[in-house]
Amino acid sequence: GAVVSQHPSRVICKSGTSVKIECRSLDFQATTMFWYRQFPKQSLMLMATSNEGSKATYEQGVEKDKFLINHASLTLSTLTVTSAHPEDSSFYICSAQTGGGLQPQHFGDGTRLSIL
Amino acid sequence: AQTVTQSQPEMSVQEAETVTLSCTYDTSESNYYLFWYKQPPSRQMILVIRQEAYKQQNATENRFSVNFQKAAKSFSLKISDSQLGDTAMYFCAFMKLSGGSNYKLTFGKGTLLTVNP
Repeated sequence: GAVVSQHPSRVICKSGTSVKIECRSLDFQATTMFWYRQFPKQSLMLMATSNEGSKATYEQGVEKDKFLINHASLTLSTLTVTSAHPEDSSFYICSAQTGGGLQPQHFGDGTRLSIL
Repeated sequence: AQTVTQSQPEMSVQEAETVTLSCTYDTSESNYYLFWYKQPPSRQMILVIRQEAYKQQNATENRFSVNFQKAAKSFSLKISDSQLGDTAMYFCAFMKLSGGSNYKLTFGKGTLLTVNP
């Protein structure tokens, strides 16, 4: 149980395009979803937290107009990287949690984003 | 702000042997949780073990156990009888239990563990 599916697993696109990454909880209702960014040989850095039906809360230094997060249902959250540039290339990971608080976070497989 | 430090970027161990991964953290909080996560080559992060700061007893989960030293702010992971499937990146993480209902994880940089046959 507690499976989180992230799609796509890898995307390569040209500079200036927008890229959407989906995060789905397959067998549970995700009241809260988290989006992380991971650079090579670095730790996961939390970008934003989203509660279903509410606006996402972004961490300091994360551009909310650059990284659009939508959590419109209890099973789906999307991260859209708008007008992506090479510096946005990274590994993006989502996690989902039901019930909030101290409930465990279940992680997706991640998305490797490469901007040419 | 909290920081989590994993001083060993890479480690290796022979199959069936025991290995200990180090983690230290810095916080002014008194109530928090600590975690070890595993990220195998398939990339999906998996929770290995969790420790509540208010508990003095070290958490144990089958072959995985921790040595939690609250005063020293140290939280090491011991893997006994290492198996090839334990090869992964291991992340130590901290979660403070204040400041709202969304409890955030702060991760260390990770330790790449390789189990050799």
